[in-house]
Order: sequence, then structure tokens, then C-alpha cells
Amino acid sequence: DAEITQSPRHKITETGRQVTLACHQTWNHNNMFWYRQDLGHGLRLIHYSYGVQDTNKGEVSDGYSVSRSNTEDLPLTLESAASSQTSVYFCASSEAGGRTGELFFGEGSRLTVL
Amino acid sequence: QQQVKQSPQSLIVQKGGISIINCAYENTAFDYFPWYQQFPGKGPALLIAIRPDVSEKKEGRFTISFNKSAKQFSLHIMDSQPGDSATYFCAAAVASGGSYIPTFGRGTSLIVHP
Repeated sequence: DAEITQSPRHKITETGRQVTLACHQTWNHNNMFWYRQDLGHGLRLIHYSYGVQDTNKGEVSDGYSVSRSNTEDLPLTLESAASSQTSVYFCASSEAGGRTGELFFGEGSRLTVL
Repeated sequence: QQQVKQSPQSLIVQKGGISIINCAYENTAFDYFPWYQQFPGKGPALLIAIRPDVSEKKEGRFTISFNKSAKQFSLHIMDSQPGDSATYFCAAAVASGGSYIPTFGRGTSLIVHP
């Protein structure tokens, strides 16, 4: 079955360190997204991509970057982790031009920045 | 500016009761309104969705009511069950680049007591 996987599922890091969260999907979807989930804020869009070599900023992109070198992967990098970036991060994908716009989410990566 | 406002933040219902979650939006360009359900430790998953050309959509015990003039939509869960206990997110989306990118509400934590 097609799926979307995130790794690591849990990570603790220190302020100022670079962190990369991996996202891999086997749906062959062109669209991929990164959201962060915080209590009281719901899901907020960080970055998204419509396809290889395409990346776009979302609502809360400061301090984050992504790159898309193939269809399957969209890694999220925190260049210099800050305590405000402690959160649960969700990767998602969707079919390009899909009429339903349904997003398929991974199970999340919980990041703690000390 | 919060584009999609969701209420209540939390909801407790007895088994067999009706759960109602409300959302409101400002951007009249939104033309796709999905609801996502999230269980603890899991990613959100699409539950039901509606487009503004209909006022109601029902799937089993779940119904979306949509009021275009008031820019409001709601989720009704009939005969609520303990297994419905989860966080529910409403969202609104407009097609961009041929695909939908949802903006999420802040979520409602639903607890159904047996």
C-alpha cells in the first residue's frame, strides 16, 4: 500500500543546531506539504511543493527551508533550531490537480528544542 | 489574521448525543471545505468535505451543513460514540496552481463519554 513516512518520529536537540526532518511518500503525488501543530494554533503551513525543484513558503516559513530533488521526498530543515520551534511536524501529500484536494498525512515528528 | 475560526476548542458529549463543531471563514474565494479527524499520535485524515454549491452533505453519522451567505459551516456527529473521541479540524481551501492548499482551523478536541 502507498504511504507517507516521517523520520525521526521523536527528536530532542539543542538551540542553534541544524535539524532535518525527513518525509517520504510512495503515493507518487506531485504536491507535498509541511505543517506544524501546536496547541491552540491548529495546523499551520510551513512550506509546500508542487513538484521537483518547486518550493513555496507558507504561513510560518521563517527559520525553515525545504528542497525537492525528487517526487518522493521533501525534507524539512531547521537551519538553527530555536525553542519556539518545539512542535509536532506533519508532512502531507496530495494529488496534483486532484478534485478533492485530499491531503494524506504522515504520523508526525515530535521535535523538542532545549 | 485567522482565516478560519473554529469553535468550541473542546467538547464533551455523552454517548448517543449530538456533537456540533462550528467554523467561519472570511475569504469568499474559498471553494472547498474539508473536515479532518485526528486520533492521538496519528496524523489527520480526511473525514468529509463539501463544496459551496450544496448546503448539506451527509456520510453515515457525519453531516456538514454549509451556509454560504453567512460564511459558516459546521460538522454534526449524530449518535456520538466513544470511538469518535478525537481532534477535529475544519479547513477551507481555494485552488492554487491547480491544487488545493487548505487553511486549517485551530481544532476541537472531542471527548465522548460512554
